[in-house]
Amino acid sequence: NAGVTQTPKFRILKIGQSMTLQCTQDMNHNYMYWYRQDPGMGLKLIYYSVGAGITDKGEVPNGYNVSRSTTEDFPLRLELAAPSQTSVYFCASRRTSDSDTQYFGPGTRLTVL
Amino acid sequence: GDSVTQMEGPVTLSEEAFLTINCTYTATGYPSLFWYVQYPGEGLQLLLKATKADDKGSNKGFEATYRKETTSFHLEKGSVQVSDSAVYFCALGGSEKLVFGKGMKLTVNP
Repeated sequence: NAGVTQTPKFRILKIGQSMTLQCTQDMNHNYMYWYRQDPGMGLKLIYYSVGAGITDKGEVPNGYNVSRSTTEDFPLRLELAAPSQTSVYFCASRRTSDSDTQYFGPGTRLTVL
Repeated sequence: GDSVTQMEGPVTLSEEAFLTINCTYTATGYPSLFWYVQYPGEGLQLLLKATKADDKGSNKGFEATYRKETTSFHLEKGSVQVSDSAVYFCALGGSEKLVFGKGMKLTVNP
């Protein structure tokens, strides 16, 4: 099992550019999540999904969009990049049980200049 | 809403020192509690968890007990190693989402 994979590992964007952060899991998990991690601020939830075709906003969704057409994939889209979106982005997944562990990908480090 | 408050650090210890990282929470209902660890350059991984009051989670020499009466889930290790240098996150969950504390960076020197 590869677990949760994310691409790219690093990216530099110019203000106003767009990009998609890819996330794939091979564990057949229903739940998937996108977080951003800013220095000293812990993790903030951007969007999450409880299954294919279902997505919902987290704590900081502005400036982002997601889709979930398959169980495996949960891409995060930035339409008009802004310097405030400079961060490390983590994707995670878990099974359905309330107490289940979240499994994290290795992260994407994004810089917007 | 639900929240987690934990020691923020950074903390520097010598090898074989005793470690305690405090974590308290506010939640409705009966959440599960977690400690996640992030090693340099990596994503978070589960260190241990507890799903109900008085449960003790343990892994790699770390322990934490779910204390409902004090709403706490403090992480302890009797003798830290250099390889324990990482950022530690306390988290609570019980429905669809986890709520994380801000994380505490630990550096262990030989």
